[in-house]
Formats: sequence, structure tokens, C-alpha cells
Amino acid sequence: QVQLQQSGPGLLKPSQTLSLTCAISGDSVSSNSAAWNWIRQSPSRGLEWLGRTYYRSKWYNDYAVSLKSRITINPDTSKNQFSLQLNSVTPEDTAIYYCTQGSNWFDPWGLGTLVTVSS
Amino acid sequence: QSVLTQPPSASGTPGQRVTISCSLSSSNIGNDYVFWYQQLPGTAPKLLIYRNNQRPSGVPDRFSGSKSDTSASLAISGLRSEDEADYHCAAWDDSLSGWVFGGGTKLTVL
Repeated sequence: QVQLQQSGPGLLKPSQTLSLTCAISGDSVSSNSAAWNWIRQSPSRGLEWLGRTYYRSKWYNDYAVSLKSRITINPDTSKNQFSLQLNSVTPEDTAIYYCTQGSNWFDPWGLGTLVTVSS
Repeated sequence: QSVLTQPPSASGTPGQRVTISCSLSSSNIGNDYVFWYQQLPGTAPKLLIYRNNQRPSGVPDRFSGSKSDTSASLAISGLRSEDEADYHCAAWDDSLSGWVFGGGTKLTVL
């Protein structure tokens, strides 16, 4: 049974970089059948898919078009985890951030991390 | 504004049958599959229905999904108080090359 454990700071100032990590147990980040996603949720935007990383003989990344210039999702095979970096945050990036497993659907989900961007 | 369109709210009394709709947009209307997630208060979303009408293990058969060319629906029969939650539909969007969600429907059990 896959479990996802999120970590990272919950309070940022505008222009800083958001960094979150999702530790995986019960599967491998290098699995040839899984994909590892970040999704966020805010009252104004609802659920928003941010992007994913996955391994199919080599590493691939897909990112939401709206965030492509600011986002990086990286695997860390040594720690069996993956990370999210979002540059130049603004208050609009305030949301609950979830990591989740899924190539074809999202299951399971991490518990979520509330990230607040405020000066 | 969400790519998939859901009603913001729905309600029913215990034992009733309720349905929640999810209208597709032109950029994902051709996709074969819609997915549904249930989000209980204060928790992360949970997969409820996959590939239009398939239930993961552990999801009661009171929950069912369907899809037509232009929309999908989630039906909950024998409504129970513990079904009070937000319900989100999702689909892959070819034009965006990414996943999109509906705005979510808050279900109230009266």
C-alpha cells in the first residue's frame, strides 16, 4: 500500500521559492508504471494540477501550461521521494499543496501542506 | 474558471438519490474517461470513480458514474449523512496536455 508523506515550509514571502518534498513508501519513484504528481487547492481556483514526473526508461516531466516558467518537479531516487519547486511566489500561490501517485488517476494522496504567501 | 463545469452545490435527504453533473469542454469532450473524487471535510480528496463508472475497492455500490459525449454524472443512491462532502470531477485535457478539474460540488445531506 503506497503512502505519501509531505514536508516543507508553510509560510513564504512574495518572490521566494516554494519547496515541498513528498516521501514515498510502498512503491518506487523509479517505477515504470507510476507517475508522481503535485496538485494544489485554493478557494478561488479549486483543484489545480501542477505537474508530474515519471520514469519510462528515462525521466519525463509534464507541467501545467500556466506554471511552466516557474515550476520544477524532480525525483530523488536516493531517498525515494520527489519534490516541487515553484519560483517567484505571490499571494495567488497560497493553497493547500498535495502530492499524489497516478498515471491514469490520482490515488493515493498525501495529507496536504498549507502554504501561505504573505508579506 | 474551471475547464469542467459542475454545479457548486447539491443536496438531498437521507435515503434519497442525488446526481451531480460534470460538463465537458470542447478541449476534453473527446476523451474517453472522467474520474470522480470525494473530499470529506478537512481531508485530502479520495478516488471515488475511475474510468467513468469503475469503483475502487472499498467504495460502496451506492456510488455510480456514467458518461455521455458531452457530460458525466455521479449518482449517489441511499444517501447517508457521511456522504456530505465535496465531489470533484477530473479529466485529461488534450489541448492543455494536462489534467483538469471541475470546480467541485458541495453535497449537503439535509
